[in-house]
Amino acid sequence: DQQVKQNSPSLSVQEGRISILNCDYTNSMFDYFLWYKKYPAEGPTFLISISSIKDKNEDGRFTVFLNKSAKHLSLHIVPSQPGDSAVYFCAASFTSGYSTLTFGKGTMLLVSP
Amino acid sequence: EAGVVQSPRYKIIEKKQPVAFWCNPISGHNTLYWYRQNLGQGPELLIRYENEEAVDDSQLPKDRFSAERLKGVDSTLKIQPAELGDSAVYLCASSLSGTSRGGEQFFGPGTRLTVL
Repeated sequence: DQQVKQNSPSLSVQEGRISILNCDYTNSMFDYFLWYKKYPAEGPTFLISISSIKDKNEDGRFTVFLNKSAKHLSLHIVPSQPGDSAVYFCAASFTSGYSTLTFGKGTMLLVSP
Repeated sequence: EAGVVQSPRYKIIEKKQPVAFWCNPISGHNTLYWYRQNLGQGPELLIRYENEEAVDDSQLPKDRFSAERLKGVDSTLKIQPAELGDSAVYLCASSLSGTSRGGEQFFGPGTRLTVL
């Protein structure tokens, strides 16, 4: 049973518009959440994270929102750029003890000019 | 500073053959992870090392998979014998400490294994 779910396999957005990628989780013990970006033939690279004590974290064009009661988080990219086209993975972990990442299946974002 | 290095980048073998993957983590990173990423899925942890010690290998199929991290630096992941279902991308990652939050895990480019 998947503990981290990304139900949209793909998303297409026009350049300059907002991209919203969604992620749901089932394990209420997760207390740290991350987004990774992956280009073809490369490994995932860390993008942004959020602790469960916050509901929003912003870094430039990227903002992650966390709704703990709904066990839902989202990544907003504003404005979207063609270079943002990649697969985005949502991941969750526990802050106590050793850090293990549980990944979702990923959402492929395509930003068209 | 060099990132995580993996080799080979691609490997094609026939089933029942052995195969090995090599990983060189970022200098100074004590924790090393091996993940497997199947097509259309996210990475799944196979094994985690803290220096030379494997601290989490619960997801490693021990009947055919083995790993080692001699001297707490480079690591090798081996499959013997390979099966068709082992076709996947094998990712290596490293971090300063296993207790650091996942945002500090740095991934290599992966080895794409195809078993025929």
